[in-house]
Amino acid sequence: GENVEQHPSTLSVQEGDSAVIKCTYSDSASNYFPWYKQELGKRPQLIIDIRSNVGEKKDQRIAVTLNKTAKHFSLHITETQPEDSAVYFCAAASRGYSTLTFGKGTMLLVSP
Amino acid sequence: GAVVSQHPSRVICKSGTSVKIECRSLDFQATTMFWYRQFPKQSLMLMATSNEGSKATYEQGVEKDKFLINHASLTLSTLTVTSAHPEDSSFYICSARGGLVWETQYFGPGTRLLVL
Repeated sequence: GENVEQHPSTLSVQEGDSAVIKCTYSDSASNYFPWYKQELGKRPQLIIDIRSNVGEKKDQRIAVTLNKTAKHFSLHITETQPEDSAVYFCAAASRGYSTLTFGKGTMLLVSP
Repeated sequence: GAVVSQHPSRVICKSGTSVKIECRSLDFQATTMFWYRQFPKQSLMLMATSNEGSKATYEQGVEKDKFLINHASLTLSTLTVTSAHPEDSSFYICSARGGLVWETQYFGPGTRLLVL
């Protein structure tokens, strides 16, 4: 089955800095890669996603890049703000988008 | 759009009792719903995939007689934890797929279960 590795497990940045979270996946058939943000005790919320026919996608301060050859994808957050502090999960979908396999999460702490 | 509700948000029960958790898609028809379990400071572990009108598909290691899943309509799935034990205490989250963007899973707010 699919295996998703996520790094780093924790990331501390100063407000205004950029943050990068990286994930690798094992199943070359995976073709959908969402990123979720989860605040403490709350539901995961989709912040951005990318499909395998696209190399990069941006949405304001958030961008995701995908390298299919290397089987890795990354989340980039620019101009970080304290409210960006949360746990971020990457995921990969295979088997025709049937299920998502999640990474272990990255706790992002943005200090004012 | 794509709102998923979950009820109850918290439940405390005695060991040996059964607990039912409901997951509803409020503004779209969910062709597929998923049930996850999340331990503190850990990732989401998929327990089962539920399609409306058919039997759920359980992930390896998840006891289907312990975690009963029913997906009776396109907007409702239920998870029943039968004969709950303290080790079943966890955060259970459902998700639903079938909104405007077909591949995307939208999560419910989760149910925190504590078994005494």
